[in-house]
Amino acid sequence: LAKTTQPISMDSYEGQEVNITCSHNNIATNDYITWYQQFPSQGPRFIIQGYKTKVTNEVASLFIPADRKSSTLSLPRVSLSDTAVYYCLVVSNRDDKIIFGKGTRLHILP
Amino acid sequence: DVKVTQSSRYLVKRTGEKVFLECVQDMDHENMFWYRQDPGLGLRLIYFSYDVKMKEKGDIPEGYSVSREKKERFSLILESASTNQTSMYLCASSLSPKRETQYFGPGTRLLVL
Repeated sequence: LAKTTQPISMDSYEGQEVNITCSHNNIATNDYITWYQQFPSQGPRFIIQGYKTKVTNEVASLFIPADRKSSTLSLPRVSLSDTAVYYCLVVSNRDDKIIFGKGTRLHILP
Repeated sequence: DVKVTQSSRYLVKRTGEKVFLECVQDMDHENMFWYRQDPGLGLRLIYFSYDVKMKEKGDIPEGYSVSREKKERFSLILESASTNQTSMYLCASSLSPKRETQYFGPGTRLLVL
């Protein structure tokens, strides 16, 4: 059965690049990896999604190695407003399961 | 922009009461989901629906039921609320078949006394 694991929390400083890794061994070849951001008192919102190699948008980059056993969300030059909880999601089509990680609480310090 | 609304932001109920949580989406999405969110446990799927009158159990359906009579509305029902159902409840929707790209409501924080 597919499963996702991510660090519970991370601290960083303004202006730094932050990388958050999610382990998701046992995912099928056609499963996408999706990342969400959640601020207090709000629902999660979609940040980025990928299938393989690298995807970049205006907010973040997503790196997925060839073995697809993990993925790394990269936030360039973070600011205080990036303080949030970040979730990875895998929808396992083989197991018909929706699998969210437990979330990584990112705290950006001035 | 997709909008998912939930009927209440905060709700206080007593043990044994029947509780209805309502969710409405305005983008004609086929899929709708109910999650609960607890500290240290992340998001756990309670039920989801991929069409009107269709429902599928998620990972923690015990103590809950759902209703989807119209495409835009998905209701979560706690038949007899218990204190261990105190939680944040999040509704989401997505286009079929892209269950990975979900749009979430703001959440309902339920306190059962």
